[in-house]
Amino acid sequence: DAGVIQSPRHEVTEMGQEVTLRCKPISGHDYLFWYRQTMMRGLELLIYFNNNVPIDDSGMPEDRFSAKMPNASFSTLKIQPSEPRDSAVYFCASSLGGWALGSEAFFGQGTRLTVV
Amino acid sequence: AQSVAQPEDQVNVAEGNPLTVKCTYSVSGNPYLFWYVQYPNRGLQFLLKYITGDNLVKGSYGFEAEFNKSQTSFHLKKPSALVSDSALYFCAVRDIGGYQKVTFGTGTKLQVIP
Repeated sequence: DAGVIQSPRHEVTEMGQEVTLRCKPISGHDYLFWYRQTMMRGLELLIYFNNNVPIDDSGMPEDRFSAKMPNASFSTLKIQPSEPRDSAVYFCASSLGGWALGSEAFFGQGTRLTVV
Repeated sequence: AQSVAQPEDQVNVAEGNPLTVKCTYSVSGNPYLFWYVQYPNRGLQFLLKYITGDNLVKGSYGFEAEFNKSQTSFHLKKPSALVSDSALYFCAVRDIGGYQKVTFGTGTKLQVIP
Protein backbone atom coordinates (compact mmCIF):
# COMPACT_ATOMS: atom_id res chain seq x y z
CA ASP A 1 0.00 0.00 0.00
CA ALA A 2 1.28 3.47 -0.81
CA GLY A 3 0.21 4.81 2.55
CA VAL A 4 -1.99 7.82 3.15
CA ILE A 5 -1.88 10.13 0.16
CA GLN A 6 -2.58 13.83 0.43
CA SER A 7 -2.79 16.47 -2.25
CA PRO A 8 -1.64 19.03 -2.93
CA ARG A 9 1.63 19.01 -0.99
CA HIS A 10 1.79 22.78 -1.04
CA GLU A 11 -0.93 25.35 -1.55
CA VAL A 12 -0.56 29.10 -1.67
CA THR A 13 -3.75 31.06 -1.94
CA GLU A 14 -5.04 34.55 -1.43
CA MET A 15 -7.19 35.49 1.49
CA GLY A 16 -10.86 34.94 0.74
CA GLN A 17 -10.31 32.12 -1.71
CA GLU A 18 -11.66 28.63 -1.30
CA VAL A 19 -9.16 25.89 -0.52
CA THR A 20 -9.76 22.16 -0.83
CA LEU A 21 -7.38 19.60 0.62
CA ARG A 22 -7.65 15.97 -0.40
CA CYS A 23 -6.85 12.68 1.25
CA LYS A 24 -6.82 9.04 0.24
CA PRO A 25 -6.58 6.79 3.30
CA ILE A 26 -5.01 3.37 3.46
CA SER A 27 -7.33 0.78 1.98
CA GLY A 28 -9.31 -1.07 4.62
CA HIS A 29 -8.86 1.48 7.35
CA ASP A 30 -12.10 2.47 9.03
CA TYR A 31 -11.02 5.68 10.75
CA LEU A 32 -9.87 8.88 9.12
CA PHE A 33 -8.55 11.89 10.99
CA TRP A 34 -7.76 15.45 9.94
CA TYR A 35 -5.12 17.26 12.00
CA ARG A 36 -3.62 20.72 11.80
CA GLN A 37 -0.05 21.46 12.87
CA THR A 38 1.21 24.92 13.79
CA MET A 39 4.16 26.11 15.80
CA MET A 40 1.91 27.82 18.32
CA ARG A 41 -0.66 25.08 18.91
CA GLY A 42 1.13 21.89 17.87
CA LEU A 43 -1.00 19.07 16.50
CA GLU A 44 -4.73 19.60 16.78
CA LEU A 45 -7.48 17.18 15.82
CA LEU A 46 -10.00 18.89 13.58
CA ILE A 47 -12.43 16.11 12.75
CA TYR A 48 -12.59 12.36 12.42
CA PHE A 49 -14.70 9.88 10.49
CA ASN A 50 -15.62 6.28 11.19
CA ASN A 51 -16.74 4.25 8.20
CA ASN A 52 -17.15 7.48 6.22
CA VAL A 53 -19.42 9.06 8.85
CA PRO A 54 -18.27 12.23 10.64
CA ILE A 55 -18.18 11.46 14.34
CA ASP A 56 -16.62 14.44 16.06
CA ASP A 57 -16.02 17.81 14.45
CA SER A 58 -15.58 19.74 17.67
CA GLY A 59 -12.04 20.64 16.67
CA MET A 60 -13.07 22.44 13.52
CA PRO A 61 -12.22 26.04 14.33
CA GLU A 62 -15.02 27.82 12.51
CA ASP A 63 -17.88 27.37 10.12
CA ARG A 64 -15.47 28.26 7.37
CA PHE A 65 -14.08 24.74 7.72
CA SER A 66 -15.93 21.71 6.42
CA ALA A 67 -14.98 18.11 5.73
CA LYS A 68 -16.54 15.29 3.79
CA MET A 69 -15.89 11.64 3.18
CA PRO A 70 -18.09 10.53 0.27
CA ASN A 71 -16.56 7.04 0.20
CA ALA A 72 -14.00 4.89 1.96
CA SER A 73 -11.16 6.00 -0.27
CA PHE A 74 -11.52 9.76 -0.34
CA SER A 75 -11.93 12.70 2.00
CA THR A 76 -11.76 16.46 1.59
CA LEU A 77 -11.19 19.35 3.94
CA LYS A 78 -12.46 22.65 2.65
CA ILE A 79 -11.82 26.15 3.90
CA GLN A 80 -14.06 28.88 2.56
CA PRO A 81 -13.18 31.68 2.72
CA SER A 82 -9.56 31.23 3.70
CA GLU A 83 -7.76 33.60 6.06
CA PRO A 84 -4.05 34.12 6.80
CA ARG A 85 -4.45 32.53 10.23
CA ASP A 86 -5.39 29.28 8.51
CA SER A 87 -1.81 28.92 7.34
CA ALA A 88 -0.55 25.63 8.72
CA VAL A 89 0.32 22.08 7.76
CA TYR A 90 -2.77 19.91 7.47
CA PHE A 91 -2.39 16.18 7.97
CA CYS A 92 -4.71 13.37 7.15
CA ALA A 93 -4.29 10.09 9.03
CA SER A 94 -6.04 6.74 8.87
CA SER A 95 -6.30 3.84 11.27
CA LEU A 96 -7.72 0.35 11.50
CA GLY A 97 -9.72 0.34 14.68
CA GLY A 98 -8.77 3.80 15.85
CA TRP A 99 -6.94 5.14 18.87
CA ALA A 100 -9.59 3.72 21.23
CA LEU A 101 -8.43 0.19 20.43
CA GLY A 102 -4.79 1.16 20.75
CA SER A 103 -4.31 1.15 17.01
CA GLU A 104 -1.77 3.57 15.68
CA ALA A 105 -2.68 6.04 12.98
CA PHE A 106 -0.74 6.40 9.76
CA PHE A 107 -0.17 9.95 8.60
CA GLY A 108 0.08 11.40 5.15
CA GLN A 109 2.87 13.76 4.19
CA GLY A 110 0.68 16.76 4.81
CA THR A 111 -0.42 19.81 2.89
CA ARG A 112 1.39 23.02 3.69
CA LEU A 113 -1.16 25.80 3.30
CA THR A 114 -0.12 29.41 3.05
CA VAL A 115 -2.81 32.08 2.88
CA VAL A 116 -1.52 35.48 1.86
CA ALA B 1 -8.24 15.35 31.20
CA GLN B 2 -5.27 13.73 29.59
CA SER B 3 -2.01 15.54 29.02
CA VAL B 4 1.51 14.79 27.92
CA ALA B 5 4.74 16.68 28.46
CA GLN B 6 8.01 16.60 26.61
CA PRO B 7 10.23 18.67 28.87
CA GLU B 8 13.10 19.15 26.41
CA ASP B 9 12.66 21.19 23.25
CA GLN B 10 15.93 19.85 21.91
CA VAL B 11 18.29 17.01 22.72
CA ASN B 12 21.81 16.86 21.36
CA VAL B 13 23.76 13.62 21.35
CA ALA B 14 26.95 12.45 19.70
CA GLU B 15 26.73 9.76 17.07
CA GLY B 16 27.21 6.34 18.63
CA ASN B 17 26.12 7.46 22.08
CA PRO B 18 22.88 6.33 23.69
CA LEU B 19 19.96 8.70 23.39
CA THR B 20 16.92 9.39 25.53
CA VAL B 21 13.93 11.55 24.67
CA LYS B 22 11.71 12.15 27.67
CA CYS B 23 7.94 11.98 27.94
CA THR B 24 5.66 12.17 30.97
CA TYR B 25 1.91 11.90 30.96
CA SER B 26 -1.16 12.50 33.05
CA VAL B 27 -4.33 10.45 32.64
CA SER B 28 -7.22 9.36 34.79
CA GLY B 29 -6.95 5.69 33.92
CA ASN B 30 -4.51 3.37 32.21
CA PRO B 31 -2.93 5.05 29.21
CA TYR B 32 -2.22 4.09 25.66
CA LEU B 33 1.13 5.67 24.76
CA PHE B 34 2.69 6.26 21.35
CA TRP B 35 5.91 7.63 19.89
CA TYR B 36 6.08 9.18 16.44
CA VAL B 37 8.96 10.69 14.48
CA GLN B 38 8.69 13.51 11.96
CA TYR B 39 11.39 14.23 9.42
CA PRO B 40 11.47 17.66 7.72
CA ASN B 41 8.57 18.20 5.34
CA ARG B 42 7.18 14.77 6.09
CA GLY B 43 4.27 13.34 8.00
CA LEU B 44 4.48 11.63 11.35
CA GLN B 45 5.80 8.08 11.27
CA PHE B 46 4.82 5.58 13.93
CA LEU B 47 7.70 4.21 16.01
CA LEU B 48 6.17 2.21 18.84
CA LYS B 49 3.34 2.00 21.33
CA TYR B 50 2.47 0.74 24.78
CA ILE B 51 -1.00 -0.66 25.31
CA THR B 52 -0.52 -3.35 27.92
CA GLY B 53 1.94 -6.08 28.84
CA ASP B 54 5.71 -5.73 29.06
CA ASN B 55 6.85 -2.33 30.20
CA LEU B 56 9.73 -2.35 27.71
CA VAL B 57 8.47 -1.86 24.20
CA LYS B 58 10.63 -2.31 21.13
CA GLY B 59 9.85 -0.48 17.92
CA SER B 60 11.14 0.55 14.54
CA TYR B 61 14.72 1.56 13.68
CA GLY B 62 16.16 0.17 16.93
CA PHE B 63 14.12 2.43 19.22
CA GLU B 64 12.59 1.26 22.46
CA ALA B 65 10.63 2.85 25.26
CA GLU B 66 9.96 1.96 28.85
CA PHE B 67 6.57 2.45 30.43
CA ASN B 68 6.94 3.47 34.06
CA LYS B 69 3.60 3.73 35.78
CA SER B 70 4.89 5.03 39.11
CA GLN B 71 6.75 7.86 37.42
CA THR B 72 4.11 8.32 34.72
CA SER B 73 6.82 8.30 32.10
CA PHE B 74 7.38 6.76 28.69
CA HIS B 75 10.90 7.74 27.65
CA LEU B 76 12.17 6.86 24.19
CA LYS B 77 15.62 5.32 24.01
CA LYS B 78 18.17 3.99 21.57
CA PRO B 79 21.49 2.38 22.49
CA SER B 80 23.52 3.98 19.72
CA ALA B 81 22.42 7.14 17.91
CA LEU B 82 22.77 7.63 14.17
CA VAL B 83 22.99 10.95 12.35
CA SER B 84 19.92 9.83 10.42
CA ASP B 85 17.95 9.75 13.70
CA SER B 86 17.99 13.55 13.73
CA ALA B 87 14.33 14.55 13.57
CA LEU B 88 11.38 15.77 15.62
CA TYR B 89 9.92 13.24 18.04
CA PHE B 90 6.40 13.30 19.41
CA CYS B 91 4.95 11.45 22.35
CA ALA B 92 1.19 10.94 22.44
CA VAL B 93 -1.22 9.62 25.04
CA ARG B 94 -4.74 8.35 24.95
CA ASP B 95 -6.77 8.07 28.12
CA ILE B 96 -8.92 4.96 28.07
CA GLY B 97 -12.44 6.29 27.84
CA GLY B 98 -13.98 5.37 24.57
CA TYR B 99 -13.01 8.36 22.51
CA GLN B 100 -10.79 8.68 19.49
CA LYS B 101 -8.64 11.48 20.73
CA VAL B 102 -4.99 11.44 21.58
CA THR B 103 -3.00 14.30 22.98
CA PHE B 104 0.33 14.94 21.33
CA GLY B 105 3.29 16.49 23.08
CA THR B 106 4.95 19.59 21.75
CA GLY B 107 7.78 17.59 20.24
CA THR B 108 11.50 17.21 20.95
CA LYS B 109 14.05 17.96 18.30
CA LEU B 110 16.81 15.38 18.34
CA GLN B 111 20.12 16.44 16.89
CA VAL B 112 22.73 13.72 16.46
CA ILE B 113 26.17 15.22 16.03
CA PRO B 114 28.66 13.37 13.81
